[in-house]
Amino acid sequence: QKEVEQNSGPLSVPEGAIASLNCTYSDRGSQSFFWYRQYSGKSPELIMSIYSNGDKEDGRFTAQLNKASQYVSLLIRDSQPSDSATYLCAVNDGGSQGNLIFGKGTKLSVKP
Amino acid sequence: DAGITQSPRYKITETGRQVTLMCHQTWSHSYMFWYRQDLGHGLRLIYYSAAADITDKGEVPDGYVVSRSKTENFPLTLESATRSQTSVYFCASSGTGPNQPQHFGDGTRLSIL
Repeated sequence: QKEVEQNSGPLSVPEGAIASLNCTYSDRGSQSFFWYRQYSGKSPELIMSIYSNGDKEDGRFTAQLNKASQYVSLLIRDSQPSDSATYLCAVNDGGSQGNLIFGKGTKLSVKP
Repeated sequence: DAGITQSPRYKITETGRQVTLMCHQTWSHSYMFWYRQDLGHGLRLIYYSAAADITDKGEVPDGYVVSRSKTENFPLTLESATRSQTSVYFCASSGTGPNQPQHFGDGTRLSIL
């Protein structure tokens, strides 16, 4: 069974702090990795994708990938209350083109 | 506007009835997916389609039927709705290739009484 594991949280950080969200995956054949943000009552929205080991930065967001450790993370700098949401980690299914395996998500709360 | 749209947004029906959820995308994406999302379970794949006339089961296909006669449409039918199918349903689509993300519709909140 291919799995993506995330800490369900809630993760609570003060406004302006760095939020660190972590994800591990079981399928060594996975090649693409995504972070989605889901506000309560809304649909998942793609915020980051990463395909190579290392860091990828986009504004206040940094995705980090370590394929050897099967570990993906998302850092949110200068966290804002508007960042409060559930963050879903998704990993492509190496054996089934097109399919993603989703974690259950980490709920982030940014306190003013 | 290009995108992926689901209808209806909200639906209340009774057990035993047939209900169809619609999904339409304007990106000409090859892949389309149906998920359900329930508290404690996250997103669970019901069915997916790699192209018109090609569909395959996901993790939780029982009680659901799909078809894909046109690339842009991927309807999901509950043939005889049960209370356990009360959920939020999301349709998604993606392009061809291993590095393609999925893009989600706004979802359908389905309640079965």
